[in-house]
Amino acid sequence: QSGLTQPPSASGTPGQRVTISCSGSSSNLGSNYGYWYQQFPGAAPKLLIYKNDQRPSGVPDRFSGSKSGTSVSLAISGLRSEDEAHYYCAAWDDSLSGPVFGGGTKLAVL
Amino acid sequence: QLQLQQSGPGLVKPSETLSLTCTVSGGSISSRIYYWVWIRQPPGKGLEWIGSIYYSGGTYYNPSLKSRVTISVDTSKNEFSLKLNSVTAADTAVYYCARLVGLWTGEVDYWGQGTLVAVSS
Repeated sequence: QSGLTQPPSASGTPGQRVTISCSGSSSNLGSNYGYWYQQFPGAAPKLLIYKNDQRPSGVPDRFSGSKSGTSVSLAISGLRSEDEAHYYCAAWDDSLSGPVFGGGTKLAVL
Repeated sequence: QLQLQQSGPGLVKPSETLSLTCTVSGGSISSRIYYWVWIRQPPGKGLEWIGSIYYSGGTYYNPSLKSRVTISVDTSKNEFSLKLNSVTAADTAVYYCARLVGLWTGEVDYWGQGTLVAVSS
């Protein structure tokens, strides 16, 4: 099950700016922070953005997050081949009493 | 540096119980700030929260799995565990233990290495 909705795929060319969207509801993104994770094949997810738009130390400033209403977005500028990965959004869900994730977006760098 | 090390079998027979343990090193599981969670990812699919536990033993479970899940904590061993009973092929997934930064949050800052558990006879 996925409580948050993401596009299954996105793509861009090196140097481009790409945006990935994530839509939720009043019980999750509408009242709680959004988070973004990056996952490479065979590896655990890595926290990329927390509290809508904050970057953990070590995450390049090419990655940025924003929130509007019940949606959050992840923007990647200056796209690089190493950014090719799956990206997941997440939020606390008041109805679930737990975190809920998006279905993931596979980013291809063409 | 905090590390979460998972252990447990990678193959479970249908109708039996899946059991995994997560040993925390480099930090205390008894920290009042964090919750400890299990998350799973079926092959080629997204992430699903299974449940959370506080060091004192308080638990929260995903309603879709609640009837089959037990998460426990052993502070003396700095570890927490997952049991999922009556498994079927639909429970085949990579299971992750992880640390949740607080309760009402989707912020997971540390993850275990993941354990692929296949349900098959």
